[in-house]
Amino acid sequence: DQQVKQNSPSLSVQEGRISILNCDYTNSMFDYFLWYKKYPAEGPTFLISISSIKDKNEDGRFTVFLNKSAKHLSLHIVPSQPGDSAVYFCAASGDWAGTALIFGKGTTLSVSS
Amino acid sequence: DTAVSQTPKYLVTQMGNDKSIKCEQNLGHDTMYWYKQDSKKFLKIMFSYNNKELIINETVPNRFSPKSPDKAHLNLHINSLELGDSAVYFCASSQSRGISSYNEQFFGPGTRLTVL
Repeated sequence: DQQVKQNSPSLSVQEGRISILNCDYTNSMFDYFLWYKKYPAEGPTFLISISSIKDKNEDGRFTVFLNKSAKHLSLHIVPSQPGDSAVYFCAASGDWAGTALIFGKGTTLSVSS
Repeated sequence: DTAVSQTPKYLVTQMGNDKSIKCEQNLGHDTMYWYKQDSKKFLKIMFSYNNKELIINETVPNRFSPKSPDKAHLNLHINSLELGDSAVYFCASSQSRGISSYNEQFFGPGTRLTVL
């Protein structure tokens, strides 16, 4: 039973436009939500995170929005660049040492120039 | 100056063999993890260690045995390898921060295990 779902396997966007990646979760006990970016043959790289007490966190071109009542979060990338082309994983976790990240299945973002 | 390193990067072996994957982090973190990414691309937790103590042990066959000789290392030993063990295995580390663990985990490059 998937606790973290990324329902769009892929997304294609033109350079300079906004990319919006979505993620839904089912477990209301999750306290932190993270986005990771992954290139082929590499490990996931941390991108941005948000605590459940916030509804928005911004870091440069990347903004994550959290809607707790809907159990939904999204990652906005503005403006999108070709180097952003990668697989993006949404992850959620509890709030204690050693807790696992529960990952979604990933969304492959392709940014064309 | 790699933060989380794994060796080997690729591992091809026969069914029934025993193999080990090593992981080291130089970030000074106190928590380390093993994740498995299967053929469907799901990343799933296998184990986590906090200060060398086993915290998480998911439903993993006991052919898999993690060992943490110190906080900077978490190795994974697999006995009697099976075809279904073929996957990419990722090591990760994080630093717990007192009451509230931020849980930003840093991943190694992965070890692609192929069992023939």
